[in-house]
Amino acid sequence: GAVVSQHPSRVICKSGTSVKIECRSLDFQATTMFWYRQFPKQSLMLMATSNEGSKATYEQGVEKDKFLINHASLTLSTLTVTSAHPEDSSFYICSALGPEHYEQYFGPGTRLTVT
Amino acid sequence: DAKTTQPTSMDCAEGRAANLPCNHSTISGNEYVYWYRQIHSQGPQYIIHGLKNNETNEMASLIITEDRKSSTLILPHATLRDTAVYYCIVRVRAAGNKLTFGGGTRVLVKP
Repeated sequence: GAVVSQHPSRVICKSGTSVKIECRSLDFQATTMFWYRQFPKQSLMLMATSNEGSKATYEQGVEKDKFLINHASLTLSTLTVTSAHPEDSSFYICSALGPEHYEQYFGPGTRLTVT
Repeated sequence: DAKTTQPTSMDCAEGRAANLPCNHSTISGNEYVYWYRQIHSQGPQYIIHGLKNNETNEMASLIITEDRKSSTLILPHATLRDTAVYYCIVRVRAAGNKLTFGGGTRVLVKP
């Protein structure tokens, strides 16, 4: 149980374009999801907390207009990287709060490469 | 959340027990110790958590010192598939509470 999926697993896009990453909780409802970014050889950095039906809460230093988060249903949150630049190339990982709201379950990650 | 300190890396032999230490000297009374691991290019995987008692599940054992200032994750029989970065995190087990990842320990299991 408590499976989280992400789509796509990897994406390559041109500089200046936007790309959307989906995070789904497959067998449970998640009122809260989290988005992380991870650069090579570094740890995960929390970008934002996504709550179903309300605006996301962004961590300090994360541009909300660049990283658009939508949590329109209890099983789906999306992260859109707008006007992507090469420095946005990273591994993006989502997690969802489990059924008891205490534990986080992670997706497999999405590798974004901006050329 | 309390800060944790872990060795940057460690090697262990396949089939032997791997003991991963974590220091969390400023842990508060209501903070739990969590362990996650991340295999290369995958999302983190939950391993185990505990408050003050030792815990065991099918993946690992967690030994927490009596003063709770440090803990050890034990992988009883390490396999090559256990090669990963292991993160020790302390946090209040409250609804919606964030996880803060430190540097973790890069564990390499060698044949």
